[in-house]
Amino acid sequence: ELKVEQNPLFLSMQEEKNYTIYCNYSTTSDRLYWYRQDPGKSLESLFVLLSNGAVKQEGRLMASLDTKARLSTLHITAAVHDLSATYFCAVGLQGAQKLVFGQGTRLTINP
Amino acid sequence: DGGITQSPKYLFRKEGQNVTLSCEQNLNHDAMYWYRQDPGQGLRLIYYSQIVNDFQKGDIAEGYSVSREKKESFPLTVTSAQKNPTAFYLCASSLSSSGNTIYFGEGSWLTVV
Repeated sequence: ELKVEQNPLFLSMQEEKNYTIYCNYSTTSDRLYWYRQDPGKSLESLFVLLSNGAVKQEGRLMASLDTKARLSTLHITAAVHDLSATYFCAVGLQGAQKLVFGQGTRLTINP
Repeated sequence: DGGITQSPKYLFRKEGQNVTLSCEQNLNHDAMYWYRQDPGQGLRLIYYSQIVNDFQKGDIAEGYSVSREKKESFPLTVTSAQKNPTAFYLCASSLSSSGNTIYFGEGSWLTVV
């Protein structure tokens, strides 16, 4: 059974600081996704990572994937208040279409 | 505009009643999914469909039913057998190949009163 764990689950940080959210998963996977969710809203796709060593960046967010360690990271650089949201990683079971989601990391960025 | 449309956005149901949530997509995606989200929690898969007239149970299918008669549509029925149906329901779709982005609709809030 594929299990996905994120940490931390809650993160409060100041603007202009850097931080990293971690996503660990338990079995072999062929794809990993990062999503953002604002309160009461749907999920917005941020990144899709498909191979070992993949790194993708968009603005102040950068995601990476280490399939050997079964670990993905979402790094936030010089945080701004607009990045306050809940961030989910989701892992695809190899050979299957469905995703298993982590618990989410609720990020609050204070001025 | 292309996208995934869920309706209704808010729905109240009395105990013992069935209710159907609509999900329509015009992205020409083969695969469609239903997820449930409880407050402060991650998403759990209810059902998914990779092709018309075929669907598979997810992790929490009990008390739910689906159909996939058309490529564009994947309605979810929450039956009276679902003991705790109050939740946020999200429909999603993707191209069939593994590794494609999975896009989500705006969600439907279901409250049992």
